[in-house]
Amino acid sequence: DQQVKQNSPSLSVQEGRISILNCDYTNSMFDYFLWYKKYPAEGPTFLISISSIKDKNEDGRFTVFLNKSAKHLSLHIVPSQPGDSAVYFCAASLGSARQLTFGSGTQLTVLP
Amino acid sequence: KAGVTQTPRYLIKTRGQQVTLSCSPISGHRSVSWYQQTPGQGLQFLFEYFSETQRNKGNFPGRFSGRQFSNSRSEMNVSTLELGDSALYLCASSLLRRDGYEQYFGPGTRLTVT
Repeated sequence: DQQVKQNSPSLSVQEGRISILNCDYTNSMFDYFLWYKKYPAEGPTFLISISSIKDKNEDGRFTVFLNKSAKHLSLHIVPSQPGDSAVYFCAASLGSARQLTFGSGTQLTVLP
Repeated sequence: KAGVTQTPRYLIKTRGQQVTLSCSPISGHRSVSWYQQTPGQGLQFLFEYFSETQRNKGNFPGRFSGRQFSNSRSEMNVSTLELGDSALYLCASSLLRRDGYEQYFGPGTRLTVT
């Protein structure tokens, strides 16, 4: 049973435009959400996180939105750059647990 | 600060053998988590250690085990290797923020079982 889902395996965006990556979860007990970027043969790199008490968090070009009623979160990257091309994973955790449940990832390609 | 380090980076083993992977967390981090990444199953949680005690365990067979030392360095061991154990094994150390734990990953150990 996949508790965290990323239904789009890939996304292509033109350089300078907005990239929107989506993630859905089924476990309503999750209360902390994170986005990671991953290049092949490397470990995931932490991008941004959000607590369930918030609905938006921004860090530079990255903004994460959380809709608890829909059990949905999204990552917006504005403007998109070719260096953003990577696999993006969303992850969720429960309270003080240091165990992350990951989605299957979305391959983002930013075209120059 | 130095990041999470993992050794070795690449490993080739034969079915039936055992393997030990090592992870050094970011200085000051006391929690170490291990994950397995495969093309079919994605990123899956193996176990987590905090202050030398296993706190959480994922849904993996008993062939997968780990430990943590007093300096927070951690090792994971896989015994009686199977072809399906071929994967990228990732270690992460955790930093407590106001709202939750952020995990920072090492580069991984690529294990190939032949």
